[in-house]
Amino acid sequence: DAGITQSPRHKVTETGTPVTLRCHQTENHRYMYWYRQDPGHGLRLIHYSYGVKDTDKGEVSDGYSVSRSKTEDFLLTLESATSSQTSVYFCAISVTYTGELFFGEGSRLTVL
Amino acid sequence: QKEVEQDPGPLSVPEGAIVSLNCTYSNSAFQYFMWYRQYSRKGPELLMYTYSSGNKEDGRFTAQVDKSSKYISLFIRDSQPSDSATYLCAMSAGTGNQFYFGTGTSLTVIP
Repeated sequence: DAGITQSPRHKVTETGTPVTLRCHQTENHRYMYWYRQDPGHGLRLIHYSYGVKDTDKGEVSDGYSVSRSKTEDFLLTLESATSSQTSVYFCAISVTYTGELFFGEGSRLTVL
Repeated sequence: QKEVEQDPGPLSVPEGAIVSLNCTYSNSAFQYFMWYRQYSRKGPELLMYTYSSGNKEDGRFTAQVDKSSKYISLFIRDSQPSDSATYLCAMSAGTGNQFYFGTGTSLTVIP
């Protein structure tokens, strides 16, 4: 158990509504990541953080923002959800930027 | 061209068989290689982590990296029904916090 909790685990929302997903870790790891997983695309990086208030964009960052005000929490926000953001979202953590990634259980988001 | 290519399968084998899972990649800068197992509706679970070329063994699992061919493999010996899952390869150059994932191979081990 990597000590990662994602919430909510399931959410159904409507197009145009804001959504925030939360990732909480108990490991005090420096690096945190948000990925989305879609059939045929695998895992794709949305945003990552290398410390409190230090974040950067990943491969598919359009339409997403993140915040990290505490080491243990990394929030992913969809300002105005679209149907193309229907996906399973995974949070991951690592000790170093070259180290092993440990994943949470995922948050399944459906945008109607 | 995708950074990482992985045959999606599905792969179905009888219990006890040796399973070979493979990924190819295009970026010669990749140095860190990982294999993950993902059960349905669960998060990926790290199985193997290797640096550079060579083999690494852990129980029934062996990871091989051939950087000259840009090819990595995961072997599962004496496969069990509990090994039924999707296996993801991942790799990194060690810069920029970028990990590149294959799309996963679905494996079913039949009792």
